[in-house]
Amino acid sequence: SQTIHQWPATLVQPVGSPLSLECTVEGTSNPNLYWYRQAAGRGLQLLFYSVGIGQISSEVPQNLSASRPQDRQFILSSKKLLLSDSGFYLCAWTAAGLYGYTFGSGTRLTVV
Amino acid sequence: GQSLEQPSEVTAVEGAIVQINCTYQTSGFYGLSWYQQHDGGAPTFLSYNALDGLEETGRFSSFLSRSDSYGYLLLQELQMKDSASYFCAVLGNNDMRFGAGTRLTVKP
Repeated sequence: SQTIHQWPATLVQPVGSPLSLECTVEGTSNPNLYWYRQAAGRGLQLLFYSVGIGQISSEVPQNLSASRPQDRQFILSSKKLLLSDSGFYLCAWTAAGLYGYTFGSGTRLTVV
Repeated sequence: GQSLEQPSEVTAVEGAIVQINCTYQTSGFYGLSWYQQHDGGAPTFLSYNALDGLEETGRFSSFLSRSDSYGYLLLQELQMKDSASYFCAVLGNNDMRFGAGTRLTVKP
């Protein structure tokens, strides 16, 4: 069966520090991968998605970036965090052509 | 652009039926999904409609009218554990866009 792993669960980082969040999927090949951000009490904002290694689509201008160095690995990064980067970051995957997204357990990021 | 509208809050009593509506404007529509999210947790997939009509999965049903750009999630025989946020989401070619969510509170 397929599983998605996301870590860390919580993170407190100072303004201006770098960020690296990792997401991996097991039990499948060539998944579509997604990064979403959710502000407290709000909906999910699509940040990045990837349909293959090295293929990244960015949805909103921001100081975040994403990379997909391996088929089942998706990384969200920042060189310098802003206060506005605080939120709940969720990684998700789906098989190409399917409609049900499976989410990781999320990372709650607080920038102080 | 894309937009999805759903009520921000709904309250109902245990055992009742509740309907959460969703209207959308989008370019490139493949289907409408619904997700449930408990406080502090990740969203979980509930249902998907690609064609007009009603899809039933246990106590939950979802409806879509493509001509009206409208759908709803129907929850029957409400239980306390159904208290959560519910999101409609539009599936595009390679991505999914979510509404702001409806917070459902089930009271005894």
